[in-house]
Amino acid sequence: DQQVKQNSPSLSVQEGRISILNCDYTNSMFDYFLWYKKYPAEGPTFLISISSIKDKNEDGRFTVFLNKSAKHLSLHIVPSQPGDSAVYFCAAIGRRSGYSTLTFGKGTMLLVSP
Amino acid sequence: NAGVTQTPKFQVLKTGQSMTLQCAQDMNHNSMYWYRQDPGMGLRLIYYSASEGTTDKGEVPNGYNVSRLNKREFSLRLESAAPSQTSVYFCASSVPGQGAGAFFGQGTRLTVV
Repeated sequence: DQQVKQNSPSLSVQEGRISILNCDYTNSMFDYFLWYKKYPAEGPTFLISISSIKDKNEDGRFTVFLNKSAKHLSLHIVPSQPGDSAVYFCAAIGRRSGYSTLTFGKGTMLLVSP
Repeated sequence: NAGVTQTPKFQVLKTGQSMTLQCAQDMNHNSMYWYRQDPGMGLRLIYYSASEGTTDKGEVPNGYNVSRLNKREFSLRLESAAPSQTSVYFCASSVPGQGAGAFFGQGTRLTVV
């Protein structure tokens, strides 16, 4: 039973446009959400996170939105750049509920074309 | 600035052979993890160690053993490799609870033939 779902295996966007990557979760005990970025032949790197007490967190071109009632979060990249082409993993953790290790989605491959 | 270092980077094993994947971190993190990544499956937790001296099973522990040798090192052992263990293995470390985000190594690509 997948607790963190990324239903789009891939996304193609033109340079300069907005990229929106989506993630849904089923476990209401998750209280912290993270996005990781992964290039081929490298390990995932932490990108941005959001606590369940917030609905938005921004870091430069990256913004994560959380809709707790819908159990949905999204990562917005504006403007998208070719160097953003990578696999993006959504992850969740329940810091206060005993779900103390990251649960990952299957990832979305983003391709940003010039 | 090493971070999390995994060895080896690549390995080919025959079915039934054993091997140990090594992982070391220099960030003084208490928690360490082993994940595997398979096509279309995302990252799945094999084992983790919340602190030195403790280890716990993750989502897919069967066929693996781990050793938390000290605070820096966390190894993953395959006693009798099977083709189903062909995967990319990632070691990670974090402060407890991973709330601040885990730091990953570059991965070990293992093929079992």
